[in-house]
Amino acid sequence: DTGVSQDPRHKITKRGQNVTFRCDPISEHNRLYWYRQTLGQGPEFLTYFQNEAQLEKSRLLSDRFSAERPKGSFSTLEIQRTEQGDSAMYLCASSLSVRKDTQYFGPGTRLTVL
Amino acid sequence: EDKVVQSPLSLVVHEGDTVTLNCSYEVTNFRSLLWYKQEKKAPTFLFMLTSSGIEKKSGRLSSILDKKELFSILNITATQTGDSAVYLCAVVWERFSSGSARQLTFGSGTQLTVLP
Repeated sequence: DTGVSQDPRHKITKRGQNVTFRCDPISEHNRLYWYRQTLGQGPEFLTYFQNEAQLEKSRLLSDRFSAERPKGSFSTLEIQRTEQGDSAMYLCASSLSVRKDTQYFGPGTRLTVL
Repeated sequence: EDKVVQSPLSLVVHEGDTVTLNCSYEVTNFRSLLWYKQEKKAPTFLFMLTSSGIEKKSGRLSSILDKKELFSILNITATQTGDSAVYLCAVVWERFSSGSARQLTFGSGTQLTVLP
């Protein structure tokens, strides 16, 4: 399968714990995006990478959130000291390049913070 | 402030009906508009529109963009129950015209329910 993959698909954690999600983009895509989606809303942009460089971060991304893409391939999103308000679907998407904007989404990681 | 607004928020029709979904936007440095279909999983890509007045078509789905009036429509003809989903509109725009900070802003979606 050559689509975007995410791991884990579901994560349940207790408030205050740290969680880390992984995204593997489509192999030739150099842009990688993270979004958060809550029920009844469209995805909200969090951050994106071009290769290993993190080029943009949303104001939504508090200092408890950090994302990396160390080798320009897979990416991780870590949330420290989780809060109940962090419960959401975390979506990863990738696109080929600046000139080819279409983003292809992974299946998402559903986070529940108890 | 970037803004993408979809209407209606929800729509219930019967099989065979034709529906029109609307998306209006206000962004700086517009680059393209994308339509996605989302069932109980991640969004799947439908269309990308960059030029005004050129209809994109795929089977029973079609879409067109009006860059002067800042909106797009998605038409679905002869609807089927399998068309039931949330349809998301997203706009690619740039914070700076240099092209270094391209972003994607989604609308909140239109929930389409097609009854048999």
